[in-house]
Amino acid sequence: EADIYQTPRYLVIGTGKKITLECSQTMGHDKMYWYQQDPGMELHLIHYSYGVNSTEKGDLSSESTVSRIRTEHFPLTLESARPSHTSQYLCASSVWANNEQFFGPGTRLTVL
Amino acid sequence: AQSVTQLDSQVPVFEEAPVELRCNYSSSVSVYLFWYVQYPNQGLQLLLKYLSGSTLVKGINGFEAEFNKSQTSFHLRKPSVHISDTAEYFCAVKDSGAGSYQLTFGKGTKLSVIP
Repeated sequence: EADIYQTPRYLVIGTGKKITLECSQTMGHDKMYWYQQDPGMELHLIHYSYGVNSTEKGDLSSESTVSRIRTEHFPLTLESARPSHTSQYLCASSVWANNEQFFGPGTRLTVL
Repeated sequence: AQSVTQLDSQVPVFEEAPVELRCNYSSSVSVYLFWYVQYPNQGLQLLLKYLSGSTLVKGINGFEAEFNKSQTSFHLRKPSVHISDTAEYFCAVKDSGAGSYQLTFGKGTKLSVIP
């Protein structure tokens, strides 16, 4: 079944640790996105990719980095986690930039 | 840059009553419009979308929305809600121009259906 997956679903980690949030999709979509979601706030785009070896920063500044070595895989990395990184991170993909985006279930990150 | 206003942060409604969730966006340029639903501890699921054509759009789970260009609105409606409709609903807008990637979301409306 075509879908978009995120792991882990929940992560509690101490300050200073390096973490990677995984996102994979089996729909063959070229476009992939990372959003940050805080309670009561809009979703903010932090990274996007239009294809392999293409990554751009979104409208919300983020200390995270991303890579796109394979079409189906778009991991997000934080080199040194801080409490300010505590949030929910949502991955999405789309066929074209002008069409609907399909979302994964999210990763809820807590940095102590 | 686009902005999206969802006028109500929380909407309580009794089961089987009608509901309207309001959404206004800022720009009058040609846009694509979306409503997403988010259940607890899950990602966003597309309810419906407006790309072009008829201004009345029907989506899943009995929801519909009407695009009003003059009022820059895209309100979501359901004639009779069910307990399972309890969730958070997000309105989103995107410029339809080529090369535009930005999907701008509202802050969400929490719908609580009361038995």
